[in-house]
Amino acid sequence: AQSVTQLGSHVSVSEGALVLLRCNYSSSVPPYLFWYVQYPNQGLQLLLKYTSAATLVKGINGFEAEFKKSETSFHLTKPSAHMSDAAEYFCAVSHSGGYQKVTFGTGTKLQVIP
Amino acid sequence: EAGVTQFPSHSVIEKGQTVTLRCDPISGHDNLYWYRRVMGKEIKFLLHFVKESKQDESGMPNNRFLAERTGGTYSTLKVQPAELEDSGVYFCASSQEGQRNYEQYFGPGTRLTVT
Repeated sequence: AQSVTQLGSHVSVSEGALVLLRCNYSSSVPPYLFWYVQYPNQGLQLLLKYTSAATLVKGINGFEAEFKKSETSFHLTKPSAHMSDAAEYFCAVSHSGGYQKVTFGTGTKLQVIP
Repeated sequence: EAGVTQFPSHSVIEKGQTVTLRCDPISGHDNLYWYRRVMGKEIKFLLHFVKESKQDESGMPNNRFLAERTGGTYSTLKVQPAELEDSGVYFCASSQEGQRNYEQYFGPGTRLTVT
């Protein structure tokens, strides 16, 4: 079984401040982990993915996430928030990457305050 | 290369009516998935096709939902008869078997409202 917990359904940061979105996972096998973003009125876009290579994963738009097995965490960070980062972010886990179903967290809406 | 497309983008129907959602995966992708997000909740897996065969339909909520993928290309998801709790956003995704970049590509979703 696999599951994902995202802490905080809403997060607000000031423009230029650090973005930290938390994600903890549960998986009975080594997981593949993903962060997806959904901008208003758009579909899901992959930000980054962990597939058992480097534990620090860099994604698009300056985002990165670190896989910490000991903490079963995969938190998403960005050093400096931009107004365009306002969106909903989903952490997700899969047992086999692209081949099997992906289990999503409940999502975190990020608000960036000018 | 065209991405995953879904039609319609929005659908508003009355309880008891039938609605058919369509998904066109990325050309050449054998794997096709349906997911649903009910308002305020997580995105949940519905089912997975490999070509025209249902690989995993463990997430289908009940027998009012019927998914097909004739010919292994596009897929349809029919809801008959629709109930109020079926409202939500239905996402389709596709991936290529053996693809080593481990990614499912998602469509923009169909927002279904049952009144």
